[in-house]
Amino acid sequence: SAVISQKPSRDICQRGTSLTIQCQVDSQVTMMFWYRQQPGQSLTLIATANQGSEATYESGFVIDKFPISRPNLTFSTLTVSNMSPEDSSIYLCSAGTSGNTGELFFGEGSRLTVL
Amino acid sequence: QQQVKQSPQSLIVQKGGISIINCAYENTAFDYFPWYQQFPGKGPALLIAIRPDVSEKKEGRFTISFNKSAKQFSLHIMDSQPGDSATYFCAARLRGSTLGRLYFGRGTQLTVWP
Repeated sequence: SAVISQKPSRDICQRGTSLTIQCQVDSQVTMMFWYRQQPGQSLTLIATANQGSEATYESGFVIDKFPISRPNLTFSTLTVSNMSPEDSSIYLCSAGTSGNTGELFFGEGSRLTVL
Repeated sequence: QQQVKQSPQSLIVQKGGISIINCAYENTAFDYFPWYQQFPGKGPALLIAIRPDVSEKKEGRFTISFNKSAKQFSLHIMDSQPGDSATYFCAARLRGSTLGRLYFGRGTQLTVWP
């Protein structure tokens, strides 16, 4: 299994600012991902964080708005840029190792409120 | 377009009862169907998962029933307990897709009354 820690756990931000969320995994995993969970909604994949290269974004999400870094196997950051109230959401880091089980683990999330 | 449709949105069950949550999909290229449990303030945690080559999988009080022809799968929680009160998400992953590319249902908020 993998334990995923995220910082900050919550924050209140002003419109137009940017915030970086950090994600640390306690074991070496092959893959890391970022999800968004809007209030009362489902989880939506933002992007796959690729080690040492540009992230792979899902439709509707762009690098300028959600820059992602993954400098090593166990650490990744997601920045929410130029925030608006519509960005108020829970951002979840997830990780796993490809294989027969294919289990995806999630962090506890970072709850952002944009005023 | 919601790839995985989940119902009901909320469910109230008495302690000891059976909780049933249903999901449906259209894309026959899905080949992995997990259920996640999420408590308030926590991230989702894998509860149980099934692949379409079996019709049922049981782990303790939790059972997934899978109907490939109907493209439906459901979670049954037997002897429901107050500690099961949480939000449950079904999900699906496309064959050959990367680990994290899961399509989630909208979630079911389960409340088990003591």
